[in-house]
Amino acid sequence: ETGVTQTPRHLVMGMTNKKSLKCEQHLGHNAMYWYKQSAKKPLELMFVYNFKEQTENNSVPSRFSPECPNSSHLFLHLHTLQPEDSALYLCASSPRAGTGGKGANIQYFGAGTRLSVL
Amino acid sequence: EDQVTQSPEALRLQEGESSSLNCSYTVSGLRGLFWYRQDPGKGPEFLFTLYSAGEEKEKERLKATLTKKESFLHITAPKPEDSATYLCALGYNQGGKLIFGQGTELSVKP
Repeated sequence: ETGVTQTPRHLVMGMTNKKSLKCEQHLGHNAMYWYKQSAKKPLELMFVYNFKEQTENNSVPSRFSPECPNSSHLFLHLHTLQPEDSALYLCASSPRAGTGGKGANIQYFGAGTRLSVL
Repeated sequence: EDQVTQSPEALRLQEGESSSLNCSYTVSGLRGLFWYRQDPGKGPEFLFTLYSAGEEKEKERLKATLTKKESFLHITAPKPEDSATYLCALGYNQGGKLIFGQGTELSVKP
């Protein structure tokens, strides 16, 4: 399997549930990202991991908890979400985050997880 | 404040009718202007990155150009399969983050 894979593709959860989104990249990259895409809004960066270390948290509520056990895997743990958290959650990877040459910042995206919070 | 604005929000073309999409920006510490294509139900697909004013890149019917204030995505003789939302994004020197515009939804009718 190649590229960036996200599972599940669709998720429906209640406000009291706990669930996790998974992202796996097969590109040999060292940086991984979580984005939120809501209807009629630009993609919003949530978190950045570079060589397994979190380097960016874009003021994301604590009900979203990221985990990056290695450079190939990224998780987003969800708990006590709100209906306004319903959106498409996208994972991306790049060779590295920040410096490192012109191609280092090119991000490659997965197909996303469509999340509905009831 | 860093900003990126895309126009128009939506564009309808007939097959073969060439046009351009605009991405205007204000930013400090720019490290690349990125163009992506997004089809419904899918993640964005990387198209181009431009790093300095005057730079141009081409791929099939698409050509991206960059000035100090804006970037254009020119579509020559589009086909229905070019229908998608086109996103531009600003890259930064620090952290690798991208700031996306709201996109232009392109529809090409046969």
